[in-house]
Amino acid sequence: DGGITQSPKYLFRKEGQNVTLSCEQNLNHDAMYWYRQDPGQGLRLIYYSQIVNDFQKGDIAEGYSVSREKKESFPLTVTSAQKNPTAFYLCASSSPATSYNEQFFGPGTRLTVL
Amino acid sequence: AQSVTQLGSHVSVSEGALVLLRCNYSSSVPPYLFWYVQYPNQGLQLLLKYTSAATLVKGINGFEAEFKKSETSFHLTKPSAHMSDAAEYFCAVSSYTLLSFGAGTTVTVRA
Repeated sequence: DGGITQSPKYLFRKEGQNVTLSCEQNLNHDAMYWYRQDPGQGLRLIYYSQIVNDFQKGDIAEGYSVSREKKESFPLTVTSAQKNPTAFYLCASSSPATSYNEQFFGPGTRLTVL
Repeated sequence: AQSVTQLGSHVSVSEGALVLLRCNYSSSVPPYLFWYVQYPNQGLQLLLKYTSAATLVKGINGFEAEFKKSETSFHLTKPSAHMSDAAEYFCAVSSYTLLSFGAGTTVTVRA
């Protein structure tokens, strides 16, 4: 089955620690995205990548970093510089040239800072 | 720039009643529009999309939406609510490379 996987489902972190969230897709999509979701605030774009080895900041990139070394993978690192990292994180992918930018979403990772 | 506004952050309906979720968009180019559904602690799932082929779009789970250019609206409806429709719903507009999402509408269904 084609789709997007995110791991882990739940993640706990102590203050001051960096943590990396995994996102993998086997849909052969060129573009990948990371969103942060907080109650009542919808989805906010953190970073996106339209092609391997290239990525752009979204609306709330401060305190986060990404890499795109492979087409299938787009890991997100939440650094200690992110002041309020507790949230639900969603990864998505799309093939803008063929699907009007319809995005396909993974199941999400819930990060809690202790 | 493209944006969407969802009117009403919470909607409560009785089982069997009409579900109506409102979405208005702003776009400088002909828009592509989407409705997604999210169940608790899950990712978003596409309900339906408008890509200019037909103004009335049918989606999964009995939902449909009508694109009205004159009203810049893309409201989502379902004639008869089911308990399983309780979820959060997001409207989104495409700018080709990115999607802009509304703040979401949470639907509760009363037995």
